[in-house]
Amino acid sequence: GQNIDQPTEMTATEGAIVQINCTYQTSGFNGLFWYQQHAGEAPTFLSYNVLDGLEEKGRFSSFLSRSKGYSYLLLKELQMKDSASYLCAVRDSNYQLIWGAGTKLIIKP
Amino acid sequence: ETGVTQTPRHLVMGMTNKKSLKCEQHLGHNAMYWYKQSAKKPLELMFVYNFKEQTENNSVPSRFSPECPNSSHLFLHLHTLQPEDSALYLCASSQDGGGAHNEQFFGPGTRLTVL
Repeated sequence: GQNIDQPTEMTATEGAIVQINCTYQTSGFNGLFWYQQHAGEAPTFLSYNVLDGLEEKGRFSSFLSRSKGYSYLLLKELQMKDSASYLCAVRDSNYQLIWGAGTKLIIKP
Repeated sequence: ETGVTQTPRHLVMGMTNKKSLKCEQHLGHNAMYWYKQSAKKPLELMFVYNFKEQTENNSVPSRFSPECPNSSHLFLHLHTLQPEDSALYLCASSQDGGGAHNEQFFGPGTRLTVL
């Protein structure tokens, strides 16, 4: 079967750095997505990786290792508004998105 | 006008009611999706429409019936639901067929409670 694993919940301090990991086992691979979802709101696109390596976008970076079936989302200089759930999703060989259950990130002052 | 809109935002219905959820996208996309989001569970893909044609139906019970009259509008008709159908129902759209990452854009969802 297809599976996406990510931690259920993480806590970090305002101003710090946090890394949210995602491991996947899917039938084929056509890219990995990270989405942010604030409570009661729509998921919004953060990043996309299809080749190995690091993609940086402001305070957020996403890393991919296809050989290890592994990605992480790195958030720097954490702000209170970063408190949200972060969803990892992999596009499989049929170009369908397989989703993880999401990681709830709690930021403390 | 925001990219993807959904109405209603909240819906409470009894098990014998019939209701419909509406989604509209203003992004010119050619694919639309219905997802079910339950607490602490992955997003569950329910239906996919490409160019108004249904391409995926992931073993969804017949009490959920989708309708896509054109590439901008998507409906989910509900009848004789069960309490376990209570969840957040998300609509999304994307531009498929290209080689780009084609991310999905989501609406704010309809919070459905079945009594």
